[in-house]
Amino acid sequence: NAGVTQTPKFQVLKTGQSMTLQCAQDMNHEYMSWYRQDPGMGLRLIHYSVGAGITDQGEVPNGYNVSRSTTEDFPLRLLSAAPSQTSVYFCASSYVLPVAEISNEQFFGPGTRLTVL
Amino acid sequence: GDSVTQMEGPVTLSEEAFLTINCTYTATGYPSLFWYVQYPGEGLQLLLKATKADDKGSNKGFEATYRKETTSFHLEKGSVQVSDSAVYFCALTVTQGGSEKLVFGKGTKLTVNP
Repeated sequence: NAGVTQTPKFQVLKTGQSMTLQCAQDMNHEYMSWYRQDPGMGLRLIHYSVGAGITDQGEVPNGYNVSRSTTEDFPLRLLSAAPSQTSVYFCASSYVLPVAEISNEQFFGPGTRLTVL
Repeated sequence: GDSVTQMEGPVTLSEEAFLTINCTYTATGYPSLFWYVQYPGEGLQLLLKATKADDKGSNKGFEATYRKETTSFHLEKGSVQVSDSAVYFCALTVTQGGSEKLVFGKGTKLTVNP
């Protein structure tokens, strides 16, 4: 199992450019999510999905779009990058609860470090 | 709303020292509580968890007890090692829309010197 994979590892964008951060998992998890990590702020939830075709907003969704066409993939799109989106982005996945016999542990990818100039 | 407050770092200790990282929470209902650890350059990984009051989670010498009366989940280790240097996040789960989401504290950076 590769677990949760993210690409790219590093990215530099200019203000106004668009890009897609990729996330994939091979654990057949229904639940996938995107977080951003900023100094002194911990991790904040951007968007999440409880299954293919279902997405919802988290705490800080503005400026980001997501879609979930398959169980495995959950890309995060920045339509017009801004310096305020400079951050480290983490994708995570887990089983959807309640599943009493299965751990609700969230598994995290290695992160994408994004800089917007 | 639901939130987690953990002690601000950074925390610097010598090897074999005792570690406590305080974590308190505010939540409606009965959340599950977690400690995640992030080693340098890596993503987060689950360290331990507790799902109900008075449960003790433990892993790799770390322990934390779910204290409902004080709404706390403090992380402790009796003798830290250099390899424990990392950022530690306390978190709880919030049930919303039929699924559970994690709410994180801001993280505490631990540095252990030899």
